[in-house]
Amino acid sequence: GENVEQHPSTLSVQEGDSAVIKCTYSDSASNYFPWYKQELGKRPQLIIDIRSNVGEKKDQRIAVTLNKTAKHFSLHITETQPEDSAVYFCAAQGYSSASKIIFGSGTRLSIRP
Amino acid sequence: SAVISQKPSRDICQRGTSLTIQCQVDSQVTMMFWYRQQPGQSLTLIATANQGSEATYESGFVIDKFPISRPNLTFSTLTVSNMSPEDSSIYLCSVGQEGNTEAFFGQGTRLTVV
Repeated sequence: GENVEQHPSTLSVQEGDSAVIKCTYSDSASNYFPWYKQELGKRPQLIIDIRSNVGEKKDQRIAVTLNKTAKHFSLHITETQPEDSAVYFCAAQGYSSASKIIFGSGTRLSIRP
Repeated sequence: SAVISQKPSRDICQRGTSLTIQCQVDSQVTMMFWYRQQPGQSLTLIATANQGSEATYESGFVIDKFPISRPNLTFSTLTVSNMSPEDSSIYLCSVGQEGNTEAFFGQGTRLTVV
């Protein structure tokens, strides 16, 4: 079945620096790749997503890149702020709401003041 | 977007008993999913709740342990049966909208089995 690997498991960066989280997926049929942020005690929230016909997408300080050939995708957060501290999950899904979402193992991001 | 109400938000249960978790959505959705998230871990898919038919379970999860109902397009329940301390976890429902692949999550049910 589909497998999504994510690393690093923990990441600590200085406030204002950039953070990068990387994921790989196994199912070549996956064509939708969302990223979720989960703050302590709260539900996961979508922060950005990318579809397989796009190589890069940016939304303010957050960007995601996709290399479909290599089955890699990455999350980039620039100018990190304390409120970016959370657990981030990558995921892979087929292209419809009927397809299940498989999550990576998560990255706990800490922003040092 | 979809607004999801999940109940209860938390419960402490005796081993050997069962707990039913409810998930209510404010609009009709194509699919509903149930996940388990153990402390400090990722989200593991338990099953897909199918309206009008039996749920589709992932490897390692069985209907006798986690029976699921989906009577209509806005409501689903997950029952955790014959609970043991290993079932202590957060259970989340998630929904997918037709034509929109973003998944929305309920607030989760924190279950503690003693």
